[in-house]
Amino acid sequence: QTVVTQESSFSVAPGGTVTLTCGLSSGSVSKSSFPSWYQQTPGQAPRTLIWSTSIRSSGVPDRFSGSILGNRAALTITGAQAHDEADYFCVLYLGPGIWVFGGGTKLTVL
Amino acid sequence: EVQLVESGGGLVQPGGSLRLSCAASGFPFGDYAMAWVRQAPGRGLEWVSDIFGRGSTTYFADSVKGRFTISRDNSKDTVDLLMNSLRADDTAVYYCVKRPGFASGSYFDFWGQGTPVTVSP
Repeated sequence: QTVVTQESSFSVAPGGTVTLTCGLSSGSVSKSSFPSWYQQTPGQAPRTLIWSTSIRSSGVPDRFSGSILGNRAALTITGAQAHDEADYFCVLYLGPGIWVFGGGTKLTVL
Repeated sequence: EVQLVESGGGLVQPGGSLRLSCAASGFPFGDYAMAWVRQAPGRGLEWVSDIFGRGSTTYFADSVKGRFTISRDNSKDTVDLLMNSLRADDTAVYYCVKRPGFASGSYFDFWGQGTPVTVSP
């Protein structure tokens, strides 16, 4: 069974830059996995940030960017703000009828 | 403005059934695939099921295959998830999610607020 891996937690100072990653238990993540990223604050529904590796959803500030770094997908937040503190999930498309979420990264801004 | 409003969640005994419904507005419903994604308490997100815009194609996660059914009524702009043979590990908040196109596509476009399901004796 394919597992999508993410860092369990990360900390960043206000104004700092952080890169969260999303990988596969076996194999590499590429653009053909169409990685997407979602932000979820406590008690709220997820919000779509990035799709197809690097395309920002409507209304998402350009402080959020997506890329492929080595064999993993990456979400980079520059100029982190207090309200960026949230859980971040990635999803990989692994074929027809197969979408697998990562376990999520809890980002702390302090 | 896109709106997705889920309903039908609640407490159900193991082995029981529950039907979730999602009412959509703000976009041409029949032109878009829809999905259900769930989140167990304190856990991550799990994709559950998808249905194409005309309902011709459906997909299910292995964890629910054979127990859950997804359907849609494009005349009422609703999508339902019928859950049978429920187990404790089906306990979660269930989110209705709009897809970016007629077929499922690669990502989840817009999320409802979710409806909680608890499976317990």
